[in-house]
Amino acid sequence: AAGVIQSPRHLIKEKRETATLKCYPIPRHDTVYWYQQGPGQDPQFLISFYEKMQSDKGSIPDRFSAQQFSDYHSELNMSSLELGDSALYFCASSPGRESYEQYFGPGTRLTVT
Amino acid sequence: QKEVEQNSGPLSVPEGAIASLNCTYSDRVSQSFFWYRQYSGKSPELIMSIYSNGDKEDGRFTAQLNKASQYVSLLIRDSQPSDSATYLCAVGRNTDKLIFGTGTRLQVFP
Repeated sequence: AAGVIQSPRHLIKEKRETATLKCYPIPRHDTVYWYQQGPGQDPQFLISFYEKMQSDKGSIPDRFSAQQFSDYHSELNMSSLELGDSALYFCASSPGRESYEQYFGPGTRLTVT
Repeated sequence: QKEVEQNSGPLSVPEGAIASLNCTYSDRVSQSFFWYRQYSGKSPELIMSIYSNGDKEDGRFTAQLNKASQYVSLLIRDSQPSDSATYLCAVGRNTDKLIFGTGTRLQVFP
């Protein structure tokens, strides 16, 4: 079965640089969520989209922005990167109104040096 | 106090035994409850979802939900070394974000 696709899988950036993470949800899933997981921590919700509209916002820094496109893929843009942004970034998708289950992609490991 | 609480473990069980993982949550309006398995450095993998009070069984896994006590549990029967991982309890309201517990590390030894 098709799964959530994330790219890139690994990303190394320097402080103050910009990064763009991409997420391709499972086909026919209309809801996308972004989570951040620091070392030894649980995933923390950043932002979500339903039918290309932002549906909820969590502890996402103002330096981050995201959107969902017409083909339902989503991008997380991160600017002025800080050392503390180093983490695993997961995208999850859900059928939305059909089911509340969220399926996670493999994640992007971002390292800021 | 975290909204979703789990014992961090490690919980060590011998191969073939039953592993019991517990989770409590504070938001009474929570409606969706999930168990995810996460291997080190990998993404959370959904293994069980439960929405109504009672038990739900899927293979070696049984999820139990008690909304009155705000308690969710996961039983793993016939535990295998490959079950060794961190188990994350997650709670949500319909299509809302998931709130995760800090996870319980399970170790199954041969």
